Amino acid sequence: AQSVAQPEDQVNVAEGNPLTVKCTYSVSGNPYLFWYVQYPNRGLQFLLKYITGDNLVKGSYGFEAEFNKSQTSFHLKKPSALVSDSALYFCAVRDMRRSQGNLIFGKGTKLSVKP
Amino acid sequence: DGGITQSPKYLFRKEGQNVTLSCEQNLNHDAMYWYRQDPGQGLRLIYYSQIVNDFQKGDIAEGYSVSREKKESFPLTVTSAQKNPTAFYLCASSIDRPISGNTIYFGEGSWLTVV
Repeated sequence: AQSVAQPEDQVNVAEGNPLTVKCTYSVSGNPYLFWYVQYPNRGLQFLLKYITGDNLVKGSYGFEAEFNKSQTSFHLKKPSALVSDSALYFCAVRDMRRSQGNLIFGKGTKLSVKP
Repeated sequence: DGGITQSPKYLFRKEGQNVTLSCEQNLNHDAMYWYRQDPGQGLRLIYYSQIVNDFQKGDIAEGYSVSREKKESFPLTVTSAQKNPTAFYLCASSIDRPISGNTIYFGEGSWLTVV
């Protein structure tokens, strides 16, 4: 079955410290992986994606993610967290069941960055 | 500005009433989607459309209907058959079907509450 898991409901980080939001996936074939961020009462904003190529993907607002095929993971990282990074983060994987390739989303991880 | 516009932002539905959520995009995207977001459950696909006059059911289509008469517009009707419609609804689009890794972009969402 195609799935994506975000094992942490919430991640707490002090401002200026590095942050990691975890994501693992289960798909058949090559995975297409995405990260989105959602601020309260807003839509989802695209951060970055992995399609092929370098395992380290750089995205918006200083975020990056590392694709690890052996561990089936795609963790989101940032070297130095900002209070404004506090939001809900979603990992998603392309759904291989459908020819149009819809996305399957994790349940989200709430990131809280304290000053 | 190019983007995806959803309206209204807040909508209240009485028991037994049908309501329609509007979604318009000026990105010239072929594919459009409707997702439902409930707290702690991530996003679930209601309907998607790859092209004008064509649409397909997603994972939770029961109690919902859509139309795609124009490329720019993909309205969602929440019918009285949807027993638990209170949720945050997100419209999205992509330049083409994301099977090749195309990014899905989201609108700002609409809150629907049953009163």
